[in-house]
Amino acid sequence: QVQLQESGPGLVKPSETLSLTCTVSGGSVSSGAYYWTWIRQPAGKGLEWIGRIYSSGSSKYNPSLQSRVSISLDSSKNQFSLKLTSVTAADTAIYSCARECYYDRYGGIKVDSWGQGIPVTVSS
Amino acid sequence: DIQMTQSPSSLSASVGDRVTITCRTGQSISTYLNWYQQKAGKAPKVLIYGASTLESGVSSRFSGSGSGTDFILTITSLQPEDFATYFCQQTSSTPYTFGQGTKVEIK
Repeated sequence: QVQLQESGPGLVKPSETLSLTCTVSGGSVSSGAYYWTWIRQPAGKGLEWIGRIYSSGSSKYNPSLQSRVSISLDSSKNQFSLKLTSVTAADTAIYSCARECYYDRYGGIKVDSWGQGIPVTVSS
Repeated sequence: DIQMTQSPSSLSASVGDRVTITCRTGQSISTYLNWYQQKAGKAPKVLIYGASTLESGVSSRFSGSGSGTDFILTITSLQPEDFATYFCQQTSSTPYTFGQGTKVEIK
């Protein structure tokens, strides 16, 4: 059974870059069957899909964050990472990594595994 | 982005009750709607995908229905382990969006 675990600093200063890593065990980020995804949830608010990366390295981002976000893959470490630049207090949230998979041949997708989430606070 | 309206935001129910949670989308998404359960301090898990398909290993107390813009998650005979937060997600088009969540509490 695949497991995902987020790691990174819990406190980031405004205007700096938030960097998080997701370590995958029980599965390979090189597998062509999955997308590797980041999702966040600010306190008291709903979940926000940040973006995802495929094993080929192709990525897709939420347009609301596109100018500040990048997701990368490190197959040698079986990890994928999130970088969010120029952070503000509005980026304070619990950040979760997850795995998306297709459930049918028509493009239906579900999140079949989630990490526990890591709280990140943006504050000076 | 596709807007998601989930209701209610919270509800109180007793063991054995039938519970329904609704999710409405701002445009038609066919059946590209998933439901998740999240317990405090735990990672979410998928219950229903494709609007009505039960995830393997999930109790048959859970069922999903709907298509287009209106969807329902039903829990028949609520059990103690079902007290949690439930949320919907559309995967019709990126950016995927989520409902605000429904917290199911013990009455």
